[in-house]
Amino acid sequence: KAGVTQTPRYLIKTRGQQVTLSCSPISGHRSVSWYQQTPGQGLQFLFEYFSETQRNKGNFPGRFSGRQFSNSRSEMNVSTLELGDSALYLCASSLDWTGGNIQYFGAGTRLSVL
Amino acid sequence: GQNIDQPTEMTATEGAIVQINCTYQTSGFNGLFWYQQHAGEAPTFLSYNVLDGLEEKGRFSSFLSRSKGYSYLLLKELQMKDSASYLCAASPGAGSYQLTFGKGTKLSVIP
Repeated sequence: KAGVTQTPRYLIKTRGQQVTLSCSPISGHRSVSWYQQTPGQGLQFLFEYFSETQRNKGNFPGRFSGRQFSNSRSEMNVSTLELGDSALYLCASSLDWTGGNIQYFGAGTRLSVL
Repeated sequence: GQNIDQPTEMTATEGAIVQINCTYQTSGFNGLFWYQQHAGEAPTFLSYNVLDGLEEKGRFSSFLSRSKGYSYLLLKELQMKDSASYLCAASPGAGSYQLTFGKGTKLSVIP
């Protein structure tokens, strides 16, 4: 069974640009969560989608957005990039989001903003 | 709100036992996850505790005390490949759909 796939693995952008990251969850998983990981802050929750609906959003500005498609694949978009957006962006999928469902992570997309 | 604390770094010797502690203060709580993350790789699931007590899985064990807001991960017979970051994450109560992670403990295993 294929794991969570994130593309691209690496991205270099400049300030002010926008970027779209993609996540394909494990087959059969309907919940997709996105996290930002930085050395100083650790893993911080961005948002979670289930059946194409955003169910929860973390404390990030509106420049960060996402969506989920009918096949459960998800994308996140960051507009007007800032230097501080440089981070590893991780996607995790689970069967559903109940308290005990294990989240399986992809390898992440490393975004560098110059 | 959610607050999770764990040590930033630890060093231990190959073959030894190490305990990584995690304390949490959350407005809602269902259980506690532990993940392992090697540098440049995805976090991988290690354990999930809902009830108080110790759960053992081979060389790794995890403990939870809900009344104290405390958990630990115990690694026995340390191997060099155990050098990684260990992340604890609180699973909230009903109605919330996010894990709250600690900043991770970087474990270095030395010969």
